[in-house]
Amino acid sequence: ETGVTQTPRHLVMGMTNKKSLKCEQHLGHNAMYWYKQSAKKPLELMFVYNFKEQTENNSVPSRFSPECPNSSHLFLHLHTLQPEDSALYLCASSQVNRPPYTDTQYFGPGTRLTVL
Amino acid sequence: AQKVTQAQTEISVVEKEDVTLDCVYETRDTTYYLFWYKQPPSGELVFLIRRNSFDEQNEISGRYSWNFQKSTSSFNFTITASQVVDSAVYFCALSDTGGGNKLTFGTGTQLKVEL
Repeated sequence: ETGVTQTPRHLVMGMTNKKSLKCEQHLGHNAMYWYKQSAKKPLELMFVYNFKEQTENNSVPSRFSPECPNSSHLFLHLHTLQPEDSALYLCASSQVNRPPYTDTQYFGPGTRLTVL
Repeated sequence: AQKVTQAQTEISVVEKEDVTLDCVYETRDTTYYLFWYKQPPSGELVFLIRRNSFDEQNEISGRYSWNFQKSTSSFNFTITASQVVDSAVYFCALSDTGGGNKLTFGTGTQLKVEL
């Protein structure tokens, strides 16, 4: 595997289900990100992890719960979602060494989530 | 505050035409980075280019070229002799020192290249 991988690629779930999205990066990076992409909306940053520590939570509802067990893996745990949460969820990674921390982010293929 | 504007929502061209995608940005920082990403129908965001605010040289990579002008806060992207495979959504993004390692994206431009 190379780059950033995400599983599953497609997910359909009911509002009462619990599911998890998985992201894995094979680039040796130390920062990982979750983004949400809804139809006709800009990409929204959800969470940022630097060196496995969460450094950003962009006012995301608690029904989305991230987990970063190590610098290569990132999960997004989902529970009691709403239909408006249907979107493409993208994971990204980058190398963060020093200020200004603006190394390029590399993205995975995304998980297309549909909430019924 | 950071802001990226891509005023063109959708552009349609015929194959072999040249096309320019516009990007205008706002930032208060003097040190910042600009990016372009391509999102084909498969969904993955593909990195195309990264420029820092101190390097205003235009860049060419094959059929792609980028025009960075600080005076107008623009970072435009031109595809020469477009091809059907160029059909995708293109995003411009900005990261500045105030934002740490966060990217602010524009709303994207949908490019359709037809035969």
